[in-house]
Amino acid sequence: QVQLLESGPGLVKPSGTLSLTCAVSGDSISTDKWWSWVRQSPGKGLEWIGEIYHTGTTNYNPSLKSRVTISVDKSKTQFSLKLSSVTAADTAVYYCARDYGVYDLNVGYYYYMDVWGKGTTVTVSS
Amino acid sequence: SSGLTQDPAVSVALGQTVTITCQGDGLRSMFVSWFQQKPGQAPMLLIYAKNKRPSGIPDRFSGSSSGDTASLTITGARAEDEADYYCNSRDSTGNHPVIFGAGTKVTVL
Repeated sequence: QVQLLESGPGLVKPSGTLSLTCAVSGDSISTDKWWSWVRQSPGKGLEWIGEIYHTGTTNYNPSLKSRVTISVDKSKTQFSLKLSSVTAADTAVYYCARDYGVYDLNVGYYYYMDVWGKGTTVTVSS
Repeated sequence: SSGLTQDPAVSVALGQTVTITCQGDGLRSMFVSWFQQKPGQAPMLLIYAKNKRPSGIPDRFSGSSSGDTASLTITGARAEDEADYYCNSRDSTGNHPVIFGAGTKVTVL
């Protein structure tokens, strides 16, 4: 059974850097999947932050791109999120998710987020 | 697709059928997923590739699409289906690879 577990500080100071790790168990990072970070501000909807492929290729939400870095550590089967220059607006529950890929003859690869971590709450406050 | 539009809220009587829609320019149905989220819980995948259900998802949940609109239908709504529902899509051609709709709050009356 594949499980994802987010970890990291629950409190970050304004202008600081938020750093989270997602530990992957029951699966290998080195296969045809993207590994994503998604967040949810209090009372709001889901916001995709970015993703990483096992090769290290990344895609980011354009609205966060200048502040986001996602990296992968295949030896530790985990991937990480860094978000710099945080403000109160970055207070949210942060989820990691597996974006599983399937090849279809008509459309090529399509992906879906089939496994999610339970989420970790990060508060930005002094 | 540059944005996915969902109705903010819908209600359904117990045992009845409700359809939630997700509209996006250039929406590609095979790339659409639907998630259910209950308070305090992580999102859960309900439908992927337009109309496929993961193992364990009841068949009262179904997906479909027409043009730029994807739909999630709950047939025979139960009290436990009261939740937020989000559509999600991957755009392989635009600058925003992955996007979520704003969500639809489903209330079961």
